[in-house]
Amino acid sequence: QLQESGPGLVKPSETLSLTCTLSGGSISSPAYFWGWIRQAPGKGLEWIASIYYNGKIFYNPSLESRVAISVDTSQNHFSLRLTSVTAADTAVYSCARQAYGLQLGEIDYWGQGKMVTVSS
Amino acid sequence: SYVLTQPPTVSVAPGQTARIACGGNNIGTKNVHWYQLKPGQAPVLVVYDDSDRPSGIPDRFSGSNSGNTATLTVSRVEAGDEADYVCHVWGGGDDPVVFGGGTKLTVL
Repeated sequence: QLQESGPGLVKPSETLSLTCTLSGGSISSPAYFWGWIRQAPGKGLEWIASIYYNGKIFYNPSLESRVAISVDTSQNHFSLRLTSVTAADTAVYSCARQAYGLQLGEIDYWGQGKMVTVSS
Repeated sequence: SYVLTQPPTVSVAPGQTARIACGGNNIGTKNVHWYQLKPGQAPVLVVYDDSDRPSGIPDRFSGSNSGNTATLTVSRVEAGDEADYVCHVWGGGDDPVVFGGGTKLTVL
């Protein structure tokens, strides 16, 4: 099970921080990347970033300058930081497990999602 | 960057077959994955690697991929299939996760 946690309300220009905790499995599995995806109200899915247990990272080029993703294998969780947020960052943020072979593959497990609103 | 194009809506009567297209340049050379999105629920993977189904997904869901179009087919459509469907591919090292804009399947 993947469970997102963190504030549901963030002020403009501040930093959004979320953590995803994995239960019932190991984040150190070599078969998976761990990622964040968001969906703004009325919009489609937008991939943010993905990380491997050894620290290998892929970022969405359009968000890379504001995003940091990290993994803590001892705590079996991974985290997202998004800086300088605006109202456009208001969305449901989901963590997910993504198959990894020669390339990133299907996303076979998703968290329930965390609604994050950017507002003063 | 690699772009995936989906029709905004597809409508079908119960019991009929729905076909949802996902267009992309030479998409036939890529592995395509499909997700079902319902409000308030976690997305569900319904087809991966063009045509494989995860455990627990009915065989009414199938996929194909050739040329510039991948297709998700939902046979014998039921009311519970009403949802948004999104395609996804590996776009390359600079664009690793690419989603289509999504198609809303309406069951008439």
